[in-house]
Amino acid sequence: AQSVTQLDSHVSVSEGTPVLLRCNYSSSYSPSLFWYVQHPNKGLQLLLKYTSAATLVKGINGFEAEFKKSETSFHLTKPSAHMSDAAEYFCVVRRDDKIIFGKGTRLHILP
Amino acid sequence: DVKVTQSSRYLVKRTGEKVFLECVQDMDHENMFWYRQDPGLGLRLIYFSYDVKMKEKGDIPEGYSVSREKKERFSLILESASTNQTSMYLCASSSQYRGETQYFGPGTRLLVL
Repeated sequence: AQSVTQLDSHVSVSEGTPVLLRCNYSSSYSPSLFWYVQHPNKGLQLLLKYTSAATLVKGINGFEAEFKKSETSFHLTKPSAHMSDAAEYFCVVRRDDKIIFGKGTRLHILP
Repeated sequence: DVKVTQSSRYLVKRTGEKVFLECVQDMDHENMFWYRQDPGLGLRLIYFSYDVKMKEKGDIPEGYSVSREKKERFSLILESASTNQTSMYLCASSSQYRGETQYFGPGTRLLVL
């Protein structure tokens, strides 16, 4: 069975400091992994995805994520937060037709 | 650019009404999905379709039905709306290939009174 756990429901960082949003997954086989961002009153937008190529994946807006099989993690990072990064972030596991969304992490940026 | 559009951004209905939510995609995608999004629960899959006239139940299909008569259009139907169906509804589409990205519409916020 597949599952995905986002370890923090809320994360607050100051503008200009690093961002870390944590995601752990469980999957019997190699899954595809995604991070989506949702700004207020908007649909979900793909940030980045991992599909068994390079383990370090670079996405849009300076975000990246590293697939660590030994830790079953796919944490999202950004070196320096910007006010426009304030949003909700979803980690997603996909294996064939089964797609599992995490419950989301709301990122707050402090001025 | 991939475009997924939903017929309404906001909708207010009364309990017992029949509600139609429409979704259209312009990328010739085989797969289409309906989710509902509630605070603290993330996205939950209601139904998905992998081809015209084909549908599969997701995790929470009760109280909903769907229709896919054309490849680009996927409709979600609430036969008799109830207050616990007040939610944000998101439509998505993707190609048939494994690992392919889902593209989302802007969402419809439904309030059932």
